[in-house]
Amino acid sequence: EAEVAQSPRYKITEKSQAVAFWCDPISGHATLYWYRQILGQGPELLVQFQDESVVDDSQLPKDRFSAERLKGVDSTLKIQPAELGDSAMYLCASKGLAYGYTFGSGTRLTVV
Amino acid sequence: DQQVKQNSPSLSVQEGRISILNCDYTNSMFDYFLWYKKYPAEGPTFLISISSIKDKNEDGRFTVFLNKSAKHLSLHIVPSQPGDSAVYFCAASAAGSARQLTFGSGTQLTVLP
Repeated sequence: EAEVAQSPRYKITEKSQAVAFWCDPISGHATLYWYRQILGQGPELLVQFQDESVVDDSQLPKDRFSAERLKGVDSTLKIQPAELGDSAMYLCASKGLAYGYTFGSGTRLTVV
Repeated sequence: DQQVKQNSPSLSVQEGRISILNCDYTNSMFDYFLWYKKYPAEGPTFLISISSIKDKNEDGRFTVFLNKSAKHLSLHIVPSQPGDSAVYFCAASAAGSARQLTFGSGTQLTVLP
């Protein structure tokens, strides 16, 4: 079964440091999403790509977060500088023609 | 403003009995609804979905009911099994929103052996 690959699975970083997460969507999926899930809450959309273009980044804190999908395949989400409140699970998902998404296993970020 | 609400943070059910998880929404433009299941340290996995043109969809032990007039949907699991213990997220999408999913806050289901 096709999967969305994410790395790393876990990341501990000190506040004010830079951190990056990587996602490789299911082959052929043009739409890619980055979500953030804080414990006890539902996933919240950070950014949506259609191929290499950003469709929606209205919820992305652009002063410290950036996302790119240069060739319309894999994607990187970066935080610089990290803050304590950024501790969360960062989920990548991709979507084909169906309405539902397929999520990766996520990256659990802890900022200390 | 939460457009998708799951008002029960947790639910405990005896093995073999029915689990009923509820979800309410406020956006009348939502026309497609999904349930995802999430184990700790893993991403959500798709469980079952329903279009607004239907009021019921069934897949094995899982059935989703949609009441559009009440803006309410529910997920029934019968019989419940210990392996069903997980967090269940309700999600909704609308045409014209690039099919973005809006999630509820989740319900932790615990099935007791």
